Amino acid sequence: NAGVTQTPKFQVLKTGQSMTLQCAQDMNHEYMSWYRQDPGMGLRLIHYSVGAGITDQGEVPNGYNVSRSTTEDFPLRLLSAAPSQTSVYFCASKGRVNSPLHFGNGTRLTVT
Amino acid sequence: AQSVTQLDSQVPVFEEAPVELRCNYSSSVSVYLFWYVQYPNQGLQLLLKYLSGSTLVKGINGFEAEFNKSQTSFHLRKPSVHISDTAEYFCAVSGNSGNTPLVFGKGTRLSVIA
Repeated sequence: NAGVTQTPKFQVLKTGQSMTLQCAQDMNHEYMSWYRQDPGMGLRLIHYSVGAGITDQGEVPNGYNVSRSTTEDFPLRLLSAAPSQTSVYFCASKGRVNSPLHFGNGTRLTVT
Repeated sequence: AQSVTQLDSQVPVFEEAPVELRCNYSSSVSVYLFWYVQYPNQGLQLLLKYLSGSTLVKGINGFEAEFNKSQTSFHLRKPSVHISDTAEYFCAVSGNSGNTPLVFGKGTRLSVIA
């Protein structure tokens, strides 16, 4: 049972480039979410989804797009990378409403 | 909407001493509360959770937390820490109806000194 899988683990982008961070879970969880972690800021919610075809914005959605075409996958797209998007990104999922989040191991992104 | 305040950004403590990491939350609805731990260069893993019932919740690695509704607090405690407890600890809250997002505090870095 792989849980939540994020790829890549590390990525370096130049300002203006685009990329997609991949997230897949094999637990049949309806709820999936993306957070970014910055020093001293904790984890801030970017986007989340309560099921296939349904997405919503979190606290810091600007500069990011998401889609949820299947239950398993929840990719995060950076349309035009900026240095302010240098961060560690975590994908997380959960099943029932009162279940805890299961986290991936993160993607460390640097934008130069 | 919910919010979380972790009152200490860093807590140094000697090995085998007790520790308390403080967490206060704000919410207009009833909540679920969680503590997560993050070891260096790893993802987050669940320490414990409060959903309902007994206000004293026991978790992994000897940690426990007490839910205090009147003080809107959910402080994490351990009676005797080990070097291996050195990590960052996050308190988190969500509303208890529907699949509402989890809101995290800014974290407390626990450093255990030999």
